Amino acid sequence: DADVTQTPRNRITKTGKRIMLECSQTKGHDRMYWYRQDPGLGLRLIYYSFDVKDINKGEISDGYSVSRQAQAKFSLSLESAIPNQTALYFCATSDLPRGPYTFGSGTRLTVV
Amino acid sequence: GEDVEQSLFLSVREGDSSVINCTYTDSSSTYLYWYKQEPGAGLQLLTYIFSNMDMKQDQRLTVLLNKKDKHLSLRIADTQTGDSAIYFCAESLVDNYGQNFVFGPGTRLSVLP
Repeated sequence: DADVTQTPRNRITKTGKRIMLECSQTKGHDRMYWYRQDPGLGLRLIYYSFDVKDINKGEISDGYSVSRQAQAKFSLSLESAIPNQTALYFCATSDLPRGPYTFGSGTRLTVV
Repeated sequence: GEDVEQSLFLSVREGDSSVINCTYTDSSSTYLYWYKQEPGAGLQLLTYIFSNMDMKQDQRLTVLLNKKDKHLSLRIADTQTGDSAIYFCAESLVDNYGQNFVFGPGTRLSVLP
């Protein structure tokens, strides 16, 4: 089993729908992150969490929310999806302040 | 603000050496990383270098760090078709969000037969 598992792997949804992307990890890491990847832009940080009671906004948090249900689970929600949220979304974990990160395989989200 | 820059594309012939370059802006970065992303997969840590080092070698990979110019490079010797991927440079730093990695846009390496 992968250390960091993301579900679903692919999703197509309609504008205005609510969607949740899930991430679970078996690394035992306290720190978890959500990034989105767009071609030519690298990875941009959406939200991060240093423990279950700690949630922080990243660079591009507008339109997104997160929930840290347990040390091992960190979910990302789009309350009302819009087409410019079409992207590849990655969850990552780390146990050190300066990394390295362990990444999930990504969720490809398309909003039509 | 923080910025990590990389060229977007690189093509090399199989068996040649590849050199992927990266520039970063934050002199306080303590670790600099190279990640590899194969098609349909997440990012896989390739190697990293601590900022008090100039060079790190790991089998076919050589990382060079020029702190004065804030320039990082990844050299892949004897490049193979399996090395075709996107390579991301990343610096770790403490920014307005408390702590973050800043990733470059990625360099897509194409290995030609």
